[in-house]
Amino acid sequence: GESVGLHLPTLSVQEGDNSIINCAYSNSASDYFIWYKQESGKGPQFIIDIRSNMDKRQGQRVTVLLNKTVKHLSLQIAATQPGDSAVYFCAENIGPGNTPLVFGKGTRLSVIA
Amino acid sequence: KAGVTQTPRYLIKTRGQQVTLSCSPISGHRSVSWYQQTPGQGLQFLFEYFSETQRNKGNFPGRFSGRQFSNSRSEMNVSTLELGDSALYLCASSLGFLETQYFGPGTRLLVL
Repeated sequence: GESVGLHLPTLSVQEGDNSIINCAYSNSASDYFIWYKQESGKGPQFIIDIRSNMDKRQGQRVTVLLNKTVKHLSLQIAATQPGDSAVYFCAENIGPGNTPLVFGKGTRLSVIA
Repeated sequence: KAGVTQTPRYLIKTRGQQVTLSCSPISGHRSVSWYQQTPGQGLQFLFEYFSETQRNKGNFPGRFSGRQFSNSRSEMNVSTLELGDSALYLCASSLGFLETQYFGPGTRLLVL
């Protein structure tokens, strides 16, 4: 598959441990935030989103935390599995209006079995 | 429900040629966005279409263009290809404003 980023920050975690991936976003006016997972050879896959009126949202094995004060977003993955190995992107959208998603550079998660 | 589909999946062209890529959104989705992904620049927004109208455009030269049809299918065209246009071109569809964008598998373009 293609390389989505030759010099991405990499996070290595042991299978079964929890993973935390961090993201600093750029615009204090951003209203909507999304985490995507991209596996080699595939397009980004939606994981979870959060709007600016929330500071936490939980999904299945994933939690997103939003700290608007410091413009920081994090993705927590519980009980990390080998299938979680991928590149993770955060994306922000400035709303309201028809503005595009702005993506971070991504973090490569490597799960050690 | 079928996901976003893109054709072709792989393409090899030479400098100076032009290329057309196609995207079929998820049924019911009226917004289609295009992104270019390269190792150096990451994911960059190209343009967005909604109900056949271009709603937004990224910072790319005029060689990059697109359109959307009445059935929401979209095409993007790159004319006078340059080596730097080699990338993964991703299409994403959504219901509308500030709605989740779902991505297709991408078209891998190699310009020689």
